[in-house]
Amino acid sequence: GQQVMQIPQYQHVQEGEDFTTYCNSSTTLSNIQWYKQRPGGHPVFLIQLVKSGEVKKQKRLTFQFGEAKKNSSLHITATQTTDVGTYFCAGGSNDYKLSFGAGTTVTVRA
Amino acid sequence: NAGVTQTPKFRVLKTGQSMTLLCAQDMNHEYMYWYRQDPGMGLRLIHYSVGEGTTAKGEVPDGYNVSRLKKQNFLLGLESAAPSQTSVYFCASSPLSGGKNIQYFGAGTRLSVL
Repeated sequence: GQQVMQIPQYQHVQEGEDFTTYCNSSTTLSNIQWYKQRPGGHPVFLIQLVKSGEVKKQKRLTFQFGEAKKNSSLHITATQTTDVGTYFCAGGSNDYKLSFGAGTTVTVRA
Repeated sequence: NAGVTQTPKFRVLKTGQSMTLLCAQDMNHEYMYWYRQDPGMGLRLIHYSVGEGTTAKGEVPDGYNVSRLKKQNFLLGLESAAPSQTSVYFCASSPLSGGKNIQYFGAGTRLSVL
């Protein structure tokens, strides 16, 4: 079955620095989604990428979908304390399900 | 607009006890899902439903049963709880919107099985 791997598992960032989290699928995806879960909270949808090579930005967050539609990345610039949480990628195929990566848990040093 | 509501929020069970987790959504979504979240393992799909009266197995269905008698509700049952089922359970729903399976999550149920 479809497997989605996400690295790193943990990211400790100095406030103001940039970081990237990566997502890789064993199969070609129809779309990739990113979710954010704050500590003690529930996953909240951030964005969906559908097209090969697609790049989307949300303020300081840049999302990219690979050309082969098997990998994705999330880059955050000038990290702030509000960025704390776990970021999940989720791969969609041509059915009703998503395969979630294990998540990258981000902590920020002020 | 409440979105996705899960009850209860917390529960402690003894091994062998049974319980039902309730998920209710008021967004008229077709698809509904039950996940469990364990440290370092992300969200794993237990069961899902593509419409009223239908259910299907996900990645980790053993030990769980589900029912979707009404479109807005999706119930997850544990017939004989085991310590391995200690987890955080999330329900999610998604609209039938071609190609966009965006999922909306409830606040979760924290279950401990002793």
